[in-house]
Amino acid sequence: DVKVTQSSRYLVKRTGEKVFLECVQDMDHENMFWYRQDPGLGLRLIYFSYDVKMKEKGDIPEGYSVSREKKERFSLILESASTNQTSMYLCASSLQGAEAFFGQGTRLTVV
Amino acid sequence: GESVGLHLPTLSVQEGDNSIINCAYSNSASDYFIWYKQESGKGPQFIIDIRSNMDKRQGQRVTVLLNKTVKHLSLQIAATQPGDSAVYFCAEIEGAQKLVFGQGTRLTINP
Repeated sequence: DVKVTQSSRYLVKRTGEKVFLECVQDMDHENMFWYRQDPGLGLRLIYFSYDVKMKEKGDIPEGYSVSREKKERFSLILESASTNQTSMYLCASSLQGAEAFFGQGTRLTVV
Repeated sequence: GESVGLHLPTLSVQEGDNSIINCAYSNSASDYFIWYKQESGKGPQFIIDIRSNMDKRQGQRVTVLLNKTVKHLSLQIAATQPGDSAVYFCAEIEGAQKLVFGQGTRLTINP
């Protein structure tokens, strides 16, 4: 079975901190995605990557950056966390043109 | 901009009845659509997909219908069970890589 693993289920960080959310997939998928999920807004795409060291902005990239140094790992970085970044963060991976598989999510609270 | 959207945010059905969840899309170039189910505290899980060269696809208790003329997608769940309670998302793939989600419909099953 495909496995997408996010490093933390719950995180609490302080405003201004630099935050790293890690995601690893074990199926050699080319594509990886980071979404945030907020009530009433569904899943919004932050960034995605279609290859190592390649990245594309999604719909809401402001305040975030990403890193993909290895094919299996896609990191989301909050350079200076703010309270409006409190959310559920979901990582996913897929083969090109195929369905995505999701991790369990990381619920981040910024205080 | 173009997006994937849902007609209703909530749907309540009696146990044993059939459920129909609708989705409208606006990107006429999209050729691949996916339905996901998200249970509380979990990441979205793939249910069924359909490509634009098809009008209908059936799985176990689920059927997806695609009407390209009116850009409409629906998910039908037969004999709805309590375990079907979840939020359902339709999604489309843009450019074979970018996965875009609608806002989701919460399905509630009444005993």
